[in-house]
Amino acid sequence: GENVEQHPSTLSVQEGDSAVIKCTYSDSASNYFPWYKQELGKRPQLIIDIRSNVGEKKDQRIAVTLNKTAKHFSLHITETQPEDSAVYFCAASRSSGGYNKLIFGAGTRLAVHP
Amino acid sequence: GAGVSQSPRYKVAKRGQDVALRCDPISGHVSLFWYQQALGQGPEFLTYFQNEAQLDKSGLPSDRFFAERPEGSVSTLKIQRTQQEDSAVYLCATGQGSGANVLTFGAGSRLTVL
Repeated sequence: GENVEQHPSTLSVQEGDSAVIKCTYSDSASNYFPWYKQELGKRPQLIIDIRSNVGEKKDQRIAVTLNKTAKHFSLHITETQPEDSAVYFCAASRSSGGYNKLIFGAGTRLAVHP
Repeated sequence: GAGVSQSPRYKVAKRGQDVALRCDPISGHVSLFWYQQALGQGPEFLTYFQNEAQLDKSGLPSDRFFAERPEGSVSTLKIQRTQQEDSAVYLCATGQGSGANVLTFGAGSRLTVL
């Protein structure tokens, strides 16, 4: 089955700097890659996603890149702000049996210091 | 409803007790997933429903775990004879359509087994 690895587990940056989180996946048939943000004690919330037919997607200060050959994808946050502090999870899924099952990485705890 | 609602938000059980966790999905959402999130980890897949049909229960850790969605709406995750290792946050996520990729998560039910 699918296995998703995420690095780093913790990341500390100064406000205004960029942050990059990387994930690798094992199942070459995976075709959907979302990123979720989870603040302490709250639900995971989708912040951006990318499908396998696209190499890059951007939404304001966040962007995701996908390298299908290498089976890795990354989240890029520019001009970080204290409110970006949270745990970020990557995930991968493929269509099988008529549904898509998300497999998550272990998470990256991002701390943005003023 | 406007979002995915889970109850109870917090549950403390003595080892050996049975617990039931409820998920109220967004109205009309066909897909419903249960995930288990241990402290400091990413969500791990437990089971998937498409309407009332349980299509995948490969992630349920033992036969003490049982889930149902009898009318294709509200779902209940039941854990019998709880053990300390069952302590975790149990997340419910739902999506439109049978092949839904974009999932909306509930806030979770935090189970503590003493």
